[in-house]
Amino acid sequence: EIVMTQSPATLSVSPGERATLSCRASQSVSSNLAWYQQKPGQAPRLLIYGASTRATGIPARFSGSGSGTEFTLTISSLQSEDFAVYYCQQYNNWPLYTFGQGTKLEIK
Amino acid sequence: QVQLVQSGAEVKKPGSSVKVSCKASGGTFSSYAISWVRQAPGQGLEWMGGIIPIFGTANYAQKFQGRVTITADKSTSTAYMELSSLRSEDTAVYYCASSLDCTGGVCRAAGFDPWGQGTLVTVSS
Repeated sequence: EIVMTQSPATLSVSPGERATLSCRASQSVSSNLAWYQQKPGQAPRLLIYGASTRATGIPARFSGSGSGTEFTLTISSLQSEDFAVYYCQQYNNWPLYTFGQGTKLEIK
Repeated sequence: QVQLVQSGAEVKKPGSSVKVSCKASGGTFSSYAISWVRQAPGQGLEWMGGIIPIFGTANYAQKFQGRVTITADKSTSTAYMELSSLRSEDTAVYYCASSLDCTGGVCRAAGFDPWGQGTLVTVSS
């Protein structure tokens, strides 16, 4: 099983600043990585797939990068609605999938 | 774009089973794989398993092997997840999500989208 590890567990950032979230895979997943945003009481929302492609309707301030085992989600200028929990997920060996444990992005 | 609507909340006794449904609309059901993901209170997302209706095959996370059964009824465009031998630790919100686009018989993975609204399953004596 591919293990996905996210860091940090909690990230405190001020509105308007940049946030950088990390995700590491225990073995290469090529570019088969997705990022999700989840707000309390809501289902997760797909932000990024293919490590760097924004899903439909996702603002340009969200960007993804990386390949192999190291990935980054960057939010360039945090808006109030961006404070949420973010998950990475590998789908390289579909139909088996694994999620990271999540990073909580909170207001500083 | 396919939409997924799940069945309502359930309260179950330890040792019993629960069956959650996920009805698809707005797309060709057989062209999508459906995965099930659960989230215990205050915890992260956990992939349980999925089914590819066009192939009729189901795959499960090792943790749930032998306890979960995922099926699909193409006639009603509905996927089901049945979890047996319930215990208190199975209390969670269960989500279905479209996990593969298999249009034309070739499957392409691009993240899970869309998701159902979630079904709360509470296991309590």
